[in-house]
Amino acid sequence: DSGVTQTPKHLITATGQRVTLRCSPRSGDLSVYWYQQSLDQGLQFLIQYYNGEERAKGNILERFSAQQFPDLHSELNLSSLELGDSALYFCASSVGGAVSYEQYFGPGTRLTVT
Amino acid sequence: KNQVEQSPQSLIILEGKNCTLQCNYTVSPFSNLRWYKQDTGRGPVSLTIMTFSENTKSNRRYTATLDADTKQSSLHITASQLSDSASYICVVSRDPNNAGNMLTFGGGTRLMVKP
Repeated sequence: DSGVTQTPKHLITATGQRVTLRCSPRSGDLSVYWYQQSLDQGLQFLIQYYNGEERAKGNILERFSAQQFPDLHSELNLSSLELGDSALYFCASSVGGAVSYEQYFGPGTRLTVT
Repeated sequence: KNQVEQSPQSLIILEGKNCTLQCNYTVSPFSNLRWYKQDTGRGPVSLTIMTFSENTKSNRRYTATLDADTKQSSLHITASQLSDSASYICVVSRDPNNAGNMLTFGGGTRLMVKP
């Protein structure tokens, strides 16, 4: 158990809908990362927040957005969902904002868009 | 184009045998390289992290090597166990001044250890 929690575990929704994924980092960690893992593309870095501020952006679509709240939990919002958005979404946390810090991954949220 | 290539894509070995997984990258400038183990349907777990100046790092039966000149890394697994069956992912970071966190993931090597 990494100490990172993600909810929900599974999510099934229809195309065009909007969903919110939630992540609680390990106690003491200030940085949160979001990743997408689909069968045909492997793990893709989406976005990072550090202490409430956006730190870095990866391959995140404009239909997706994220935020980190004062209590350091984070939410990833996915809107206008398409079939291709079906994937595992992982959250990871680290104590600092630099890539040199160890990242601890949560169990993931499996999103199925029908 | 993915700048981190892993080989082989999949590998089957017998329990107790050793194996070596390869990772070649073109990410530049290089910050660090990590190896992760990911069990099916679960989050990745870090095995090693290596910076530019490190050539070898060990974690129990896992030994990673890094050649920053040729931009190659390997992960050697000794005396494999059934529980080693998983995907092994190489991740290269490009963050020279802490100004961004671009992480590039390899496609992974799926290892199956058979009794």
